[in-house]
Amino acid sequence: SAVISQKPSRDICQRGTSLTIQCQVDSQVTMMFWYRQQPGQSLTLIATANQGSEATYESGFVIDKFPISRPNLTFSTLTVSNMSPEDSSIYLCSGSLGSTDTQYFGPGTRLTVL
Amino acid sequence: QQQVKQSPQSLIVQKGGISIINCAYENTAFDYFPWYQQFPGKGPALLIAIRPDVSEKKEGRFTISFNKSAKQFSLHIMDSQPGDSATYFCAASRARYGQNFVFGPGTRLSVLP
Repeated sequence: SAVISQKPSRDICQRGTSLTIQCQVDSQVTMMFWYRQQPGQSLTLIATANQGSEATYESGFVIDKFPISRPNLTFSTLTVSNMSPEDSSIYLCSGSLGSTDTQYFGPGTRLTVL
Repeated sequence: QQQVKQSPQSLIVQKGGISIINCAYENTAFDYFPWYQQFPGKGPALLIAIRPDVSEKKEGRFTISFNKSAKQFSLHIMDSQPGDSATYFCAASRARYGQNFVFGPGTRLSVLP
C-alpha cells in the first residue's frame, strides 16, 4: 500500500490569489492523480500528473488554472490559480502503484475562497 | 458511456442488518471495479475490488457481487455496525490501459445503534 500526505490540510484564501497544494507519497507510485470533491458530492478528476512531463487534463480543466508539477515518483503539486469562490472545494491527490490498479488517496485539502 | 450509476443515494440500516448498494455501468471495456469508503474529513479508502472474471469476492463482512451480462455490481455489508456509517463510492476503470477511475455519485450509509 501507499500512504499519501497533503499540505495544507485546509486554507482560506482571498479571491484572485493562488494556492499550491503539495502531495507526498511514502513510496514510488507509477501514476498520480488530482481530484476535486464538493462536500457531499463525488470525485471529479482534474488531471493525471505525469512524472517529468506535462500533466494530462480532463475536459473542463486547463493548465493555466490548475498547473501541476511532478518532479519525481513520490511528489506532486497542484496550484489553484486566480481563485474565485467557485474554486472552494476539497482537493484530493491519489497514487497508483505500478503492480496493482488500486488508487490510494490523501486526506484532502479543504479550500475556501472568500 | 463513461458514467457509473449508483443507488440508493442514502441508506439507513439497523445495527446487525445487511446494507446493499448497487452500481451499474455502460462501458464494457471497464475491467476493474473498486469500492471506496469515505468518512467525513478523510480521503476515500479502498474497501474491496473485483475484476470481471469472477462473480463474487468476499473480504470479512464485505462482499462484492458482479453481474457481467447485466453490467452491474453491488456491495453487501453483512452485520452492519455503526462504525460502518460513511459514504461509499463505487468506481470503474480500464485498468489494463492505465486509465483513471470513473466514480459513482456515492451512497451515504447510516447504521443505527
